[in-house]
Amino acid sequence: DADVTQTPRNRITKTGKRIMLECSQTKGHDRMYWYRQDPGLGLRLIYYSFDVKDINKGEISDGYSVSRQAQAKFSLSLESAIPNQTALYFCATSDIARSTDTQYFGPGTRLTVL
Amino acid sequence: SQKIEQNSEALNIQEGKTATLTCNYTNYSPAYLQWYRQDPGRGPVFLLLIRENEKEKRKERLKVTFDTTLKQSLFHITASQPADSATYLCALDTSGGYNKLIFGAGTRLAVHP
Repeated sequence: DADVTQTPRNRITKTGKRIMLECSQTKGHDRMYWYRQDPGLGLRLIYYSFDVKDINKGEISDGYSVSRQAQAKFSLSLESAIPNQTALYFCATSDIARSTDTQYFGPGTRLTVL
Repeated sequence: SQKIEQNSEALNIQEGKTATLTCNYTNYSPAYLQWYRQDPGRGPVFLLLIRENEKEKRKERLKVTFDTTLKQSLFHITASQPADSATYLCALDTSGGYNKLIFGAGTRLAVHP
């Protein structure tokens, strides 16, 4: 979905390195989310933000941090990457004006930690 | 514990037939349930939303049912086509409408010509 972009699309890194994944959106949505996807486990919520001043931990926030630099930008950081953080990471957005809205996902970042 | 179950085995069907995918959940009382489609290496794409007070929702060849007593949703694709081959995810709202979703692991559908 071109309205939600993620960079990089692929990243290979080594254990202990600091990694930042970036997400930008042009949809004008207030809510943004970070998920990871592992085979057989589905999407799991890492962090979510309902506006620039609101950051919340999700199901699996340990080892991750986030920054909401602007309404349109939400970045995910791995301070010291470890191999079990190898996964597919998705950013998503949703519209705060709708009480039961859909989430719009970016194309994903495939992260490999060696 | 809270749980969402989708059939982990791939569903293989013949073109033209109806595909039926199941989403079961426990220990939730979701205000609504959503279905998404995910193609390999891509982000999920929203398909349909059904609220707790709705029994059925349709969109073109897609139909979703929601039985809050059975804690189950069924997702149907009629007149299936090879282009419908993908993984289908169900997602439940667990936050009373604040759109904090819990996703199932998905069921892979393969439609054969």
